Amino acid sequence: DGGITQSPKYLFRKEGQNVTLSCEQNLNHDAMYWYRQDPGQGLRLIYYSQIVNDFQKGDIAEGYSVSREKKESFPLTVTSAQKNPTAFYLCASSIGKSYGYTFGSGTRLTVV
Amino acid sequence: GQNIDQPTEMTATEGAIVQINCTYQTSGFNGLFWYQQHAGEAPTFLSYNVLDGLEEKGRFSSFLSRSKGYSYLLLKELQMKDSASYLCASETDSWGKLQFGAGTQVVVTP
Repeated sequence: DGGITQSPKYLFRKEGQNVTLSCEQNLNHDAMYWYRQDPGQGLRLIYYSQIVNDFQKGDIAEGYSVSREKKESFPLTVTSAQKNPTAFYLCASSIGKSYGYTFGSGTRLTVV
Repeated sequence: GQNIDQPTEMTATEGAIVQINCTYQTSGFNGLFWYQQHAGEAPTFLSYNVLDGLEEKGRFSSFLSRSKGYSYLLLKELQMKDSASYLCASETDSWGKLQFGAGTQVVVTP
């Protein structure tokens, strides 16, 4: 079955460390997105990629980095420069306009 | 930007009807999505409106007025499992990128 997989489900990070969140899809979708969600809030766009080897900053890209070397994969690195990284991170993919997103199950990142 | 406004929280009793309103900026607008999100889970698709009017899908209906920058999601015959956050999302470019509202937390009481 096709889908989008995020791992790990829970992640703990010490202050000053970089961590990478995985997002893999086998839906053959061109576009992939990373969102951050804080308690009681909506989804804020971090980065997005609409084609392999290309990506764009979203509304809150500072302290994050991404790569898109393969169509299936869009990993997100949370760097030590991100001041408040504790949040729920959602990856999504889309086949294009009017189809909406398929979401991964999310990664909950906690800084300890 | 694409400011999207929706109420923070709504409470209703089991079996009742609730209407969640959403307003958005119309510039660059392609279409309007509604998603349901239970706590700690990923959002799931509920509806998509691109033309003016009402789309009905079982207990859930969604309405769009493009000229007014307005949509609503109507939940009928509320069940306890409908307690969730409902996200309004505007499609803002030709690739399908979505801008999300903050979500409306619906609390269904017995």
